[in-house]
Amino acid sequence: ETGVTQSPTHLIKTRGQQVTLRCSSQSGHNTVSWYQQALGQGPQFIFQYYREEENGRGNFPPRFSGLQFPNYSSELNVNALELDDSALYLCASSLGGTKNIQYFGAGTRLSVL
Amino acid sequence: DQQVKQNSPSLSVQEGRISILNCDYTNSMFDYFLWYKKYPAEGPTFLISISSIKDKNEDGRFTVFLNKSAKHLSLHIVPSQPGDSAVYFCAARLGSGNTGKLIFGQGTTLQVKP
Repeated sequence: ETGVTQSPTHLIKTRGQQVTLRCSSQSGHNTVSWYQQALGQGPQFIFQYYREEENGRGNFPPRFSGLQFPNYSSELNVNALELDDSALYLCASSLGGTKNIQYFGAGTRLSVL
Repeated sequence: DQQVKQNSPSLSVQEGRISILNCDYTNSMFDYFLWYKKYPAEGPTFLISISSIKDKNEDGRFTVFLNKSAKHLSLHIVPSQPGDSAVYFCAARLGSGNTGKLIFGQGTTLQVKP
């Protein structure tokens, strides 16, 4: 049990729609990262937020955007959904510091039809 | 460009024996390496990590070895137990402190047979 919760657990959308995924960080963690995991692959870094500011971004288009709130919870928004966006979306929170271990939620499974 | 590679998609070992999972990387700028374990329908669970300035870290049945010259790390599980059956991901951190992002390998599915 990591203390990181994500909602919803499953979601079905159609191509062109927009989606918002939510993440509640482990208590006290000020950094949140989002990852996309396609079937049979390792998680791929989307972006990271530290104290409500975007702190780094992977190779994802601008239609992937995020927010971090004062209580350090976070949202991932994806506009104009494409079929290839079907994946497991993982949120990870961390405290920063030298080790900066990231603790993951169970993920949201998004299916785009 | 796959900076972190796990070349073995699967591994099967007998209960009580040693499991060795391997990982190769290409980027010399990685400062931390981590192993995560993932069960179906759960998120990755942190297992053990090693700093790039160390060559070994041990935690109970789990030991991670880092060979910087070969850009290779391995996770040893001794003795292996059926509950260790899961997908294991190697991850490398780029950046430091609050800016670090993780680059993951493709994962190795470990099956431990009773």
